[in-house]
Amino acid sequence: SQELEQSPQSLIVQEGKNLTINCTSSKTLYGLYWYKQKYGEGLIFLMMLQKGGEEKSHEKITAKLDEKKQQSSLHITASQPSHAGIYLCGYSGAGSYQLTFGKGTKLSVIP
Amino acid sequence: DTAVSQTPKYLVTQMGNDKSIKCEQNLGHDTMYWYKQDSKKFLKIMFSYNNKELIINETVPNRFSPKSPDKAHLNLHINSLELGDSAVYFCASSLGDRDTGELFFGEGSRLTVL
Repeated sequence: SQELEQSPQSLIVQEGKNLTINCTSSKTLYGLYWYKQKYGEGLIFLMMLQKGGEEKSHEKITAKLDEKKQQSSLHITASQPSHAGIYLCGYSGAGSYQLTFGKGTKLSVIP
Repeated sequence: DTAVSQTPKYLVTQMGNDKSIKCEQNLGHDTMYWYKQDSKKFLKIMFSYNNKELIINETVPNRFSPKSPDKAHLNLHINSLELGDSAVYFCASSLGDRDTGELFFGEGSRLTVL
């Protein structure tokens, strides 16, 4: 079965610093999704990537999918305390609406 | 208006009991899901339900059963609760559109089995 590996597992950065979270798949991804979870809350959709080489941005968060569609990175510029939370990447298989998630990256931003 | 709502938000119960978690979505979505998040924050699909078609993750014990009275509701029933069932359970819904694939999640229901 296909699995997603996220790295790092946890990350502590100072406010204002840039950071990158990686998500690697053992197989080609049909769709790659990024979600954010704040403690005690549900998951919030950030972005979806489908095409090789695709890049999307939302405010200070940029996500890319590599040409081979097996690796995605999430980059946060000038991090803020509001960026703190757990970031999860997920994939959907062909013909399936279900998302399977990686184990998540816990981000802490120190003021 | 809350798009996907779950009740209760917190549930504490004894081992061996039967409990239910309710989920409702007002988005008009076709597909609903239940996810389980364990103590290590790993989020795993349990069920998806689309137009009365139920897809079950084979690793889910049959003590867990989803029930959908209508398209807007997917409730989770758990029989004979065990300590290992303690987790946060998330309900989600989607249009079922492959082009977007966005899932809308509820806030989660934290189940503690004593």
